[in-house]
Amino acid sequence: SQQGEEDPQALSIQEGENATMNCSYKTSINNLQWYRQNSGRGLVHLILIRSNEREKHSGRLRVTLDTSKKSSSLLITASRAADTASYFCATSGSRLTFGEGTQLTVNP
Amino acid sequence: GAVVSQHPSWVICKSGTSVKIECRSLDFQATTMFWYRQFPKQSLMLMATSNEGSKATYEQGVEKDKFLINHASLTLSTLTVTSAHPEDSSFYICSATPQSTEAFFGQGTRLTVV
Repeated sequence: SQQGEEDPQALSIQEGENATMNCSYKTSINNLQWYRQNSGRGLVHLILIRSNEREKHSGRLRVTLDTSKKSSSLLITASRAADTASYFCATSGSRLTFGEGTQLTVNP
Repeated sequence: GAVVSQHPSWVICKSGTSVKIECRSLDFQATTMFWYRQFPKQSLMLMATSNEGSKATYEQGVEKDKFLINHASLTLSTLTVTSAHPEDSSFYICSATPQSTEAFFGQGTRLTVV
């Protein structure tokens, strides 16, 4: 069964705007990871946040983690058309479990 | 970062035939690899955990006799879809995690059974 649930399922924005995606999970985790998948391709790791961290940055990406609410958010700032992809969160206990994903479309 | 190579990237086969998909860790040793399946517009579903030198661990609902997994070396795991049927058509992805860091994924294999 899926551990994570992303919200929203689909998001369409204009280039330059920020995109925020949320992820909720159910059980205790060691870390939470965000991945990106272009259509019909493999997954690319974006960022990992450990259970004892609350916020992490990487370039235009900002991830937060709230273990009390069992939720995480991924913020992409100054979005570009090339950011169009599906984004998945994955929680790691003994193995990765993926959420349903958010399909992000950035319109030029 | 670490590299996981998956081959082939796509394959078309006839119903009833078997298809083998390879997953290689190119610059690290992987005692454990994971095989996922993804239907269009859906998330990745873990099928099985491939363990080097021992039997794979299958998720509930995944037929081990249909999806044969062999992990004969520290850098190679293979998934064989036996007696494939159209409903087995899907995107299959492997992953491996070096040193308990983030997982690295293969490019995926698009299987179409006609």
